[in-house]
Amino acid sequence: KAGVTQTPRYLIKTRGQQVTLSCSPISGHRSVSWYQQTPGQGLQFLFEYFSETQRNKGNFPGRFSGRQFSNSRSEMNVSTLELGDSALYLCASSMGGWASTYEQYFGPGTRLTVT
Amino acid sequence: QKEVEQNSGPLSVPEGAIASLNCTYSDRVSQSFFWYRQYSGKSPELIMSIYSNGDKEDGRFTAQLNKASQYVSLLIRDSQPSDSATYLCAPTGGTYKYIFGTGTRLKVLA
Repeated sequence: KAGVTQTPRYLIKTRGQQVTLSCSPISGHRSVSWYQQTPGQGLQFLFEYFSETQRNKGNFPGRFSGRQFSNSRSEMNVSTLELGDSALYLCASSMGGWASTYEQYFGPGTRLTVT
Repeated sequence: QKEVEQNSGPLSVPEGAIASLNCTYSDRVSQSFFWYRQYSGKSPELIMSIYSNGDKEDGRFTAQLNKASQYVSLLIRDSQPSDSATYLCAPTGGTYKYIFGTGTRLKVLA
């Protein structure tokens, strides 16, 4: 079974621009979560989508948004980029139900650099 | 108090020894507990899941859970240099909000 895929893998943007990242979950998985990982803050939860609905979100400003499509693929968007947004953005998929179905499998990540 | 606490390390153990990684969490409603391994420059990889109090063994890995003490640990027996990585603890409750510890960096010395 194919794993989680993320595109693009690397991205360089300028302050003030916006960016859209894409994630395709494992086939059959309906939940997609997004994380930001930086050396100083570790893995920070952005939001989680299940069946096209956002079920929970972390403590990030409104510049960070996401959506999920009917085929479970998900995108996240960051508007008005700041230098501090430079990070590894990880997507993880799970079946999305209870207990064991919380097991999340991560994609390879998108490395975003803001200059 | 942080939601998930782990000693950042590095925890250095000689090859062949037992590595013990610990994690405490604050959310009492946490139901599922996961350990992830992350090699430098790579994404996290799920290595263990535990849902009930007690021990769960999988090969050289043993996860231990004590919900009353809000404590979960990971033991790695016969540690190998290839086990050198950062280990992330992730207790998860019913809110679909995933909180990860900052991880413990393990170094296995050959």
